[in-house]
Order: sequence, then C-alpha cells, then structure tokens
Amino acid sequence: DAGITQSPRYKITETGRQVTLMCHQTWSHSYMFWYRQDLGHGLRLIYYSAAADITDKGEVPDGYVVSRSKTENFPLTLESATRSQTSVYFCASSESQPPDRPNEQFFGPGTRLTVL
Amino acid sequence: RKEVEQDPGPFNVPEGATVAFNCTYSNSASQSFFWYRQDCRKEPKLLMSVYSSGNEDGRFTAQLNRASQYISLLIRDSKLSDSATYLCVVGAYKLSFGAGTTVTVRA
Repeated sequence: DAGITQSPRYKITETGRQVTLMCHQTWSHSYMFWYRQDLGHGLRLIYYSAAADITDKGEVPDGYVVSRSKTENFPLTLESATRSQTSVYFCASSESQPPDRPNEQFFGPGTRLTVL
Repeated sequence: RKEVEQDPGPFNVPEGATVAFNCTYSNSASQSFFWYRQDCRKEPKLLMSVYSSGNEDGRFTAQLNRASQYISLLIRDSKLSDSATYLCVVGAYKLSFGAGTTVTVRA
C-alpha cells in the first residue's frame, strides 16, 4: 500500500533552471494539493486539483505550473527556479468532499528543494 | 490577519504532565477542524478530527468553541514520543494550516 509518494526527495538546482516535482497517489482520491512549508509560515497552498484536468490556484501560485492528466499524478513545475523557491514541498490528497466541508488530507513525504 | 493562529511555544513539559494549547481561527463559516502532528519537518499526519461536542482519542482531547472561534488540544500523561509540532487545521471551502505549536516532553 504505497499511498502517496513524491520524487525526488531532495533536489539542488540553480537559479533559472526548470524543475519538476512528482507526486503519485494510489488511493484514487479526487483532490490533490501542493503546499510549500517555510520556517515561520504554516503550510501554504500553491495549487490544487479537484479532478483530472481541473486545477486551480492557491495562495502562492506565482512561478509554478501544474497539470493533472491522470487522477493519480499531479506534477509541479518551477518554470524558472528562484532562490525564494527554496523550500520543502508537500503533496497531499483527499477524497471527494462537500463544497463547504473539506476532508482531511494525506501527505506525501515531501521534497526538499534548494535553489542556488 | 492569519486565518489560523497558534502559539508557537515551545511547551517544555516533563513526562507524565498534562499540556494544553489552543488555536484561533478567523473564518466563522469554517466547518472542518483537525489537529495534525508533524515530526522534524517530516510530512504532517492526521492526529484527530475535532467535533462540535469535543472528542477524545486515548490521551488526547480536542475541544471546539465556535462562539469564540478556537479549538484546543490537551495531552494527558505526556510521553517522550509526544514531542512534535502540532498543527491546527481549519476549513470552510479549503483547509488552512496554522504554523504549529511545538511540544517537547523531557524525561
């Protein structure tokens, strides 16, 4: 039972490079999310997806791109990495939910990204 | 104003002690309430949901006060393994995460 996995777990890149973080879940959850976590901040939502081919911006979407062609995968791309994007990135998923009552989310192990 | 605010702590307590802390939330329309636990910047894991009438899960008790818009977590008989950061999570149409309260249990 793999649950939710992320790859790579650690990544070092340089300013201006494109980086893609992968997220895969085996539960067939409808919703998937990308968060970043920085010291002094809670988890901040970057993008989320309610289903395949449906994505929407979160709190801090600038500089990021997502796609969701299959229910189980939700990659996050940094088109031109900047030092301010150095962070820990968590992917999460949850089951379908009523519009006003979000369900608990289950998190992947995270990707530690450093942009030099 | 942040949607969810928590006292960052740290709360340093001896084994066997009781520790309690709150978080406040700003959106009165919130319908979902959770406590998550996070160890050393690993992934957050669901500790427990919080229900209107309050609920217990072993040594953990959660309370919700809708009128004052806060939720609380109480840990009884603290164990060394309870040392972690506890995230308050509140949601209406989306989940909002607090920055966490750090608890350190010492021998």
